[in-house]
Amino acid sequence: DAGVIQSPRHEVTEMGQEVTLRCKPISGHDYLFWYRQTMMRGLELLIYFNNNVPIDDSGMPEDRFSAKMPNASFSTLKIQPSEPRDSAVYFCASSLGGYRGNQPQHFGDGTRLSIL
Amino acid sequence: AQKVTQVQTEISVVEKEDVTLDCVYETRDTTYYLFWYKQPPSGELVFLIRRNSFDEQNEISGRYSWNFQKSTSSFNFTITASQVVDSAVYFCALSEAANAGGTSYGKLTFGQGTILTVHP
Repeated sequence: DAGVIQSPRHEVTEMGQEVTLRCKPISGHDYLFWYRQTMMRGLELLIYFNNNVPIDDSGMPEDRFSAKMPNASFSTLKIQPSEPRDSAVYFCASSLGGYRGNQPQHFGDGTRLSIL
Repeated sequence: AQKVTQVQTEISVVEKEDVTLDCVYETRDTTYYLFWYKQPPSGELVFLIRRNSFDEQNEISGRYSWNFQKSTSSFNFTITASQVVDSAVYFCALSEAANAGGTSYGKLTFGQGTILTVHP
């Protein structure tokens, strides 16, 4: 079975540019999560969706960050304009059901983002 | 608020040694779930195990075993006869049960990770 698929794997861009990260969750999973991983802050939950609807975006750092999930098989995380401090590894994860928090989240390979 | 503390930042062992990674958590909920994830050098996060707060049975899977003790709020992970391929960052995580009656999801809170290096 295909796991969570993220693209691109690596992105290097200049400050001020728009960055779009993409995620395809595991088929049938109804929860989707976006995380950011840095050395300083570890793994942070940015936002999550249930049945394509954003449930909690309190982890989104600033208005420069936005996320969408137009359908059950696709989500994007956009940063506009990007800044050097946004450099991190961004993970997407999905899970099946588990509204009680008991289902494991399955992670993609991550996107390593570098803003110059 | 929930919190997960991984006691060791880094552990270094020689192959075939047993190693234990300690995880201590804080939560006000009576129902919660604990997880361990592995992040090898290639960077992906791999789910290892889930434990429910109402099930304190220890679990063994091959060389891996987990010791959950509610009385001390700990969920420790032991690798027996470690191998070089076990070298990775290991994360302990906690998820509280969702709010009753709502669609709010129990957020997954991660510890800071323990870097395990197994030398040949």
